[in-house]
Amino acid sequence: SQKIEQNSEALNIQEGKTATLTCNYTNYSPAYLQWYRQDPGRGPVFLLLIRENEKEKRKERLKVTFDTTLKQSLFHITASQPADSATYLCALPSGGYNKLIFGAGTRLAVHP
Amino acid sequence: NAGVTQTPKFQVLKTGQSMTLQCAQDMNHNSMYWYRQDPGMGLRLIYYSASEGTTDKGEVPNGYNVSRLNKREFSLRLESAAPSQTSVYFCASSEAFGGGANEKLFFGSGTQLSVL
Repeated sequence: SQKIEQNSEALNIQEGKTATLTCNYTNYSPAYLQWYRQDPGRGPVFLLLIRENEKEKRKERLKVTFDTTLKQSLFHITASQPADSATYLCALPSGGYNKLIFGAGTRLAVHP
Repeated sequence: NAGVTQTPKFQVLKTGQSMTLQCAQDMNHNSMYWYRQDPGMGLRLIYYSASEGTTDKGEVPNGYNVSRLNKREFSLRLESAAPSQTSVYFCASSEAFGGGANEKLFFGSGTQLSVL
């Protein structure tokens, strides 16, 4: 079955730098992949969706890439700010339709 | 717009007790979902409802039942709670089901459940 791997170690970076988070999946390439942000005590919030025929997607300071050869998506936050500190989750459909499976997430901490 | 509303926010149960988690969305979405989140394991799908009148099992359905009461409401019931069901439960909804253009999920703020 499809599995998602995200780095379980927290990523600590300095304000202003670019944060790069990785999402790897194990089996077939999904039709699309999503990224969510989750703050402590809150539900995940959708950020971006990238489809398998799209190499890259941008939204303001966010950029997502999707490499079906490497079975990997990268999530970049440029000019990071302390307010970007949160856990970022990768999700993709598995078992058909919109049954999303989620990675465990990577916690990002941006230090002033 | 409230989005997805879950009640209660916190609950403590004793082993064997039953309870129902309530979820309602005001976005006129067709599909609704229940996930549980445990440390280090990510969100796991318990049950989902592709549309009003249908429900299906997700990845971890054992010990749970659901009811899609109407288009707005989707409840999750624990008939006989067990310590292994201690978790944070999230309800979510989406506009479409089946690979449509609006596959993104909208989540509620969660219910923290402890079973002693």
